[in-house]
Amino acid sequence: DTTVKQNPRYKLARVGKPVNLICSQTMNHDTMYWYQKKPNQAPKLLLFYYDKILNREADTFEKFQSSRPNNSFCSLYIGSAGLEYSAMYLCASKTGGSEVFFGKGTRLTVV
Amino acid sequence: QQKVQQSPESLTVSEGAMASLNCTFSDRSSDNFRWYRQHSGKGLEVLVSIFSDGEKEEGSFTAHLNRASLHVFLHIREPQPSDSALYLCAVSPGGSNAKLTFGKGTKLSVKS
Repeated sequence: DTTVKQNPRYKLARVGKPVNLICSQTMNHDTMYWYQKKPNQAPKLLLFYYDKILNREADTFEKFQSSRPNNSFCSLYIGSAGLEYSAMYLCASKTGGSEVFFGKGTRLTVV
Repeated sequence: QQKVQQSPESLTVSEGAMASLNCTFSDRSSDNFRWYRQHSGKGLEVLVSIFSDGEKEEGSFTAHLNRASLHVFLHIREPQPSDSALYLCAVSPGGSNAKLTFGKGTKLSVKS
């Protein structure tokens, strides 16, 4: 199974409330990524796990948290959602020279 | 820092006519180049990956890489209305934890 699964597909959140997005893959990939995609903008890397090591981008360091309890699962956590967090969130995974596989995304709307 | 730019921003072609999309990157040491497609509201679908200068064909999609000129092109042969989507170019170094840098995309519309 070469799919990356994301749950939920659609998420409605209130301003100030936490949001937790889930991603899973069964390809035993060592690297899992989270990207944010807004209309008319390039997908933006938020953070990635290489094995158990979390790497967060400098400009989003304080806005997003993540955990990877095992090789297959990775979460993206927003502690207090703001309107600017409304976007498509894309999870991806790869290992070594493999292709980068993307999930179908979670569309987050913050109201 | 890697910069990736795509042109044109939008492109309209007639069904069956060749569509050509352009992507330029700034880091000549980049190793991996990928073209993705995103239909409205959907996730990313990889179309073709290319890792060395020259051409690579996957179905109706052909990627052409010229690292010296910092360009990677995507040609779509005989596009159909169902190919109407946002096309994204992604560039990265090799390696397990390589980060993809994306362009903003080209919005392709195919008219029947």
